Amino acid sequence: AQSVTQLGSHVSVSEGALVLLRCNYSSSVPPYLFWYVQYPNQGLQLLLKYTSAATLVKGINGFEAEFKKSETSFHLTKPSAHMSDAAEYFCAVTNTNAGKSTFGDGTTLTVKP
Amino acid sequence: DAGITQSPRHKVTETGTPVTLRCHQTENHRYMYWYRQDPGHGLRLIHYSYGVKDTDKGEVSDGYSVSRSKTEDFLLTLESATSSQTSVYFCAISGVPSNEQFFGPGTRLTVL
Repeated sequence: AQSVTQLGSHVSVSEGALVLLRCNYSSSVPPYLFWYVQYPNQGLQLLLKYTSAATLVKGINGFEAEFKKSETSFHLTKPSAHMSDAAEYFCAVTNTNAGKSTFGDGTTLTVKP
Repeated sequence: DAGITQSPRHKVTETGTPVTLRCHQTENHRYMYWYRQDPGHGLRLIHYSYGVKDTDKGEVSDGYSVSRSKTEDFLLTLESATSSQTSVYFCAISGVPSNEQFFGPGTRLTVL
């Protein structure tokens, strides 16, 4: 079985501030982990992924995430928020044996001017 | 952008009627997925396919069936729609499970 928990359904930051979106997972096999972003009225698009090559993963738009096995976490960060980062963010874990993914409930990021 | 389309994009129907949503891809990806998205629940997997005629259930499969007779098409059918199936439905594709999924634009379904 696998699951994903995103802590905080809503996060609000000021423009230029650090963005931290939390994700904890559970998986019975070595996980593949993903962060996706969804803008209003659109489908999801990939921000970054962890596939065991490196624990610190860099993605698009200045985002990065660190895989911490001991903490079963994969938190998403960005040093300086931009207004265009306002969106909903989803963490997902994939069980490659079963071929299916489990998504967290999502975190809505608001960026204040 | 990955070549993935969904049809229809919007649909309003009445309780008890059958509904079929279509997902079409031009990427020749092996894996195809159907999700529903509801506020506070993120994306929940309904069914997925790992090849032509090979499908399996997800976490919220009750009331839904799927078919995949060709690599490029994955159909989701609500045999008898209910108001609880009002949602936004997303199709996704992937070459292998360890790779990212590419999502379609979504279908907004309203069941009255």
